[in-house]
Amino acid sequence: EAQVTQNPRYLITVTGKKLTVTCSQNMNHEYMSWYRQDPGLGLRQIYYSMNVEVTDKGDVPEGYKVSRKEKRNFPLILESPSPNQTSLYFCASSLLSRGKSAGELFFGEGSRLTVL
Amino acid sequence: QKEVEQDPGPLSVPEGAIVSLNCTYSNSAFQYFMWYRQYSRKGPELLMYTYSSGNKEDGRFTAQVDKSSKYISLFIRDSQPSDSATYLCAMSPFTGGGNKLTFGTGTQLKVEL
Repeated sequence: EAQVTQNPRYLITVTGKKLTVTCSQNMNHEYMSWYRQDPGLGLRQIYYSMNVEVTDKGDVPEGYKVSRKEKRNFPLILESPSPNQTSLYFCASSLLSRGKSAGELFFGEGSRLTVL
Repeated sequence: QKEVEQDPGPLSVPEGAIVSLNCTYSNSAFQYFMWYRQYSRKGPELLMYTYSSGNKEDGRFTAQVDKSSKYISLFIRDSQPSDSATYLCAMSPFTGGGNKLTFGTGTQLKVEL
């Protein structure tokens, strides 16, 4: 089954304790991205990656790191989490080729993070 | 002012009603318009995709784009309880993967029996 898998789905942590949210896709997609979703603010892009070893900042990158060492994996790292990073996080992937269907983003089921 | 504005709802309708969901935008460069549906505790999934102005129909769903007014709509005919979800509009100046999408905040829809 084609899917984007995120882990953990739910996490409660404390300020300053480093954490990693993993993301893996099995569709051989070149493009991967992380979003956070907050009430009233919608989906905002954190980081994205066009391919292995190619990453770039989105709209809200502060406090986050990413890496893309393999095509299928795109972990999100919070080196020193703070309460304002409490949010619902989504990983997404898509093909890079042109054409209407190529732009379709496939999302994971989300990771709800609470930072105390 | 946000680039994309969407009424958050919630919108509650009886089963069988026609539902109209809307977004307005300010960036005239947007040419590709999408509607994503997000069920509770799930990630968004693509529902409809349209290019430029005009209508596109897919079963009970019709997407409409009016670029002159910078206004897009999603109509749901004969709404069902299974349509209860949050609907996100999204748009981009370009087609194809890897292009940044700008999302609306989503409209929560509840279809009641």
